[in-house]
This record gives sequence, structure tokens and C-alpha cells, in this order.
Amino acid sequence: TQLLEQSPQFLSIQEGENLTVYCNSSSVFSSLQWYRQEPGEGPVLLVTVVTGGEVKKLKRLTFQFGDARKDSSLHITAAQPGDTGLYLCAGSFYGGSQGNLIFGKGTKLSVKP
Amino acid sequence: NAGVTQTPKFQVLKTGQSMTLQCAQDMNHEYMSWYRQDPGMGLRLIHYSVGAGITDQGEVPNGYNVSRSTTEDFPLRLLSAAPSQTSVYFCASSYAGGSNQPQHFGDGTRLSIL
Repeated sequence: TQLLEQSPQFLSIQEGENLTVYCNSSSVFSSLQWYRQEPGEGPVLLVTVVTGGEVKKLKRLTFQFGDARKDSSLHITAAQPGDTGLYLCAGSFYGGSQGNLIFGKGTKLSVKP
Repeated sequence: NAGVTQTPKFQVLKTGQSMTLQCAQDMNHEYMSWYRQDPGMGLRLIHYSVGAGITDQGEVPNGYNVSRSTTEDFPLRLLSAAPSQTSVYFCASSYAGGSNQPQHFGDGTRLSIL
């Protein structure tokens, strides 16, 4: 059974601070996705990473995929209240059924003005 | 521009009742899936379908049935509701079941079983 550990579970910071969220597994990901979910809505895809060592940027968000493809991180620079939400990582594993995604438990981020 | 539509948005049931959660997508996606989201548990896959007429079980299928008679629709049926099925249910679709495909989620059905 593949497990996907996400940390921290909760994060409360002031506007302007930087933060990093981590996603780890003991198994190798074939790919990994990051989603953001706001209250009362479904998750929305932020990025997909596929290649070991890959770095993708989305405005103030930087996503990294580990060289061994067992971990990923999301770094937010100068967080703003609009970044508040639940951040979920979701991985596909080699040999997984039909490419189904395994979701982490999420990081609940609160950015205070 | 509807995307994935889930109905109802909220539902309260009594233990033992049955109901169907509806999910429809207008993007001609082959792959559809149902998840439940519980506090501290993340999203867990209930059932999925790789195309019309084909369904399979996910991580937590017990107590739920699905069918896929058309590409557009993927209803989830609760056979005999139990309090443990109180949760938020999300339907998702993607172009294919491949690992690189972005999942498009509906806004969820919030279900309470009394």
C-alpha cells in the first residue's frame, strides 16, 4: 500500500512570510500533482510534476520534485491572505491501478493580514 | 462552461435510507471517479470508471454502488446509509486515467446521516 505523507498539517502565518509544504512517500511517484481547495469547493489543480529534479513556478509558488521522485515541496514566497486554503498533494505510483491518484491529508494554510 | 456538476449540494438522511448522488460532466472525459473527504483523512477513492460501461473499486468501496451508462454521468448510490458515511463527496473527471491527467472536481455533496 502506497502512503503519501504531507506536512505540516496546519500552518498559520502572517502576510509576507514564506512557507514550505512537504509531500513524501517511500515509493517512487510516476507523477505528482498539487491541488488547492477553498472552503465549499472542490480541489483545483495547481501543477503536475513528472521529471525527477523538476522545478515549476506559478507566480509566488515554487514546486519541486525530488531527484528520486519520492518527495515534493511547495514553497510560497511572501504569502498573502488570498493564499489561504487547503493544499493537497496527490501522487500516482508505478503499478498503481489505472493511474489512480493517492492524496495526502492536506496542509491547511491560514495567512493573516 | 459547467465542468463537473454535482447534485444535491447538501443532504440529510436517516440511517438505513438509500439515495443517489448525481455527477455529470460536459467535457467528454473518459475517466470519472468518486472520492470522500473526511477531516484529517484527505481524499479517499470510492469507485472509478475508465469509460462507459466500465467501473472498478477504489480504496473504500463498501456500502456504495456505481454505474456508468453514458460518458457524461457517473452516479453514486448509497444502498443503506450509515452514520459512518457522513462525509463530503467529490466527483472528478479527467481526459484519461493516466497519471499526468489533471482531475476536474465538482463542488461536492455534503451528506449527513443521522
